[in-house]
Amino acid sequence: DAGITQSPRHKVTETGTPVTLRCHQTENHRYMYWYRQDPGHGLRLIHYSYGVKDTDKGEVSDGYSVSRSKTEDFLLTLESATSSQTSVYFCAIRRDHSPPYEQYFGPGTRLTVT
Amino acid sequence: SQQGEEDPQALSIQEGENATMNCSYKTSINNLQWYRQNSGRGLVHLILIRSNEREKHSGRLRVTLDTSKKSSSLLITASRAADTASYFCATKANDMRFGAGTRLTVKP
Repeated sequence: DAGITQSPRHKVTETGTPVTLRCHQTENHRYMYWYRQDPGHGLRLIHYSYGVKDTDKGEVSDGYSVSRSKTEDFLLTLESATSSQTSVYFCAIRRDHSPPYEQYFGPGTRLTVT
Repeated sequence: SQQGEEDPQALSIQEGENATMNCSYKTSINNLQWYRQNSGRGLVHLILIRSNEREKHSGRLRVTLDTSKKSSSLLITASRAADTASYFCATKANDMRFGAGTRLTVKP
């Protein structure tokens, strides 16, 4: 499982509240990713990081921000949660010590915004 | 927008039969990967095929890649009930793009 944990695993929050999801890895990989998974859409990339303090936007980044102050932690923040952000969120790492690259995923966080 | 598109969206077979899932994509890729997801769980990486490879095997899995048609197929031979899951293809270009998945049900 590449030592990836996500917290919390489940969260229910109200519209307009801030929410932070945490992804933690134990193997010091440079690349980390946040995806959301919705029925009919598969996985969509929100943001990714290629090192401490180095992040970039994915295809559905609006309404989300990220931070990476330590190699092992990648935080996803919803500044003001909306019902459209109800989803399952997956964190992933990319093993970058040898090609080809593969991604390994955490167990997911189910977020419900009411 | 999605890059990979799996086909069919759902597939139901009997244990022991072979299951074939297809993936089509739109742009040039570095590699294509297949993942499996059991209900309510995270994704598990199954197999990766590079753009210069045409076929790859891993246990009961066989993956083919046709870059001229921008398509890939995943074959699971001698399926088992435990293979019941959703299967996703993901293409790697500048970033990873996933399809919506094929839901496979293997009946005992």
